[in-house]
Amino acid sequence: AQTVTQSQPEMSVQEAETVTLSCTYDTSESDYYLFWYKQPPSRQMILVIRQEAYKQQNATENRFSVNFQKAAKSFSLKISDSQLGDAAMYFCAYRSANPAGNKLTFGGGTRVLVKP
Amino acid sequence: DTGVSQDPRHKITKRGQNVTFRCDPISEHNRLYWYRQTLGQGPEFLTYFQNEAQLEKSRLLSDRFSAERPKGSFSTLEIQRTEQGDSAMYLCASSEIYGQWEGYPNTEAFFGQGTRLTVV
Repeated sequence: AQTVTQSQPEMSVQEAETVTLSCTYDTSESDYYLFWYKQPPSRQMILVIRQEAYKQQNATENRFSVNFQKAAKSFSLKISDSQLGDAAMYFCAYRSANPAGNKLTFGGGTRVLVKP
Repeated sequence: DTGVSQDPRHKITKRGQNVTFRCDPISEHNRLYWYRQTLGQGPEFLTYFQNEAQLEKSRLLSDRFSAERPKGSFSTLEIQRTEQGDSAMYLCASSEIYGQWEGYPNTEAFFGQGTRLTVV
């Protein structure tokens, strides 16, 4: 079974600064997807960024980028130029590339606080 | 279509009562998932459907839990004889899969706002 670990329960960042969230995972599969989801208070979870394991290039979406280290099974998220609206819980998630194994396995989450 | 819709948003029930939640996925999505999220934790997978077929159930889904997706559209999750440990946020998500073959692109899962259950 796959597991996802987020070792930082909470991170604080000054507005306009950069914060990096850590995520490690364990799997025996070679092909899979990794995701970062954002869950604002009392709002639904939304996808921030996605990485396919077969791609060596790190994914980037505007101010969000990842550092994917497949051998180390590490998948960190960098939020640049942090904004007040970035304050939320962030979850790292794993999904098998096998269509039959399509469920998401989540980490425990990291709360991001943004200070004005 | 405005996204995944869940009803009710909040439910307070007495221990031992039965509750039922509903999820309406994005209309063209053939996969529907149920997750449970306790306070301060990440969501945990419960079960998923492809069209009307329930393809996988987690061991978290005890025999007091049952899920259905008649006609492959909306889904219901019923909890019988609720216990205090059932208090959680129940999340529904949907996605579209184009085929049964490995390598087909899997689309992202879209989540609803969840149903928060409190058992008193």
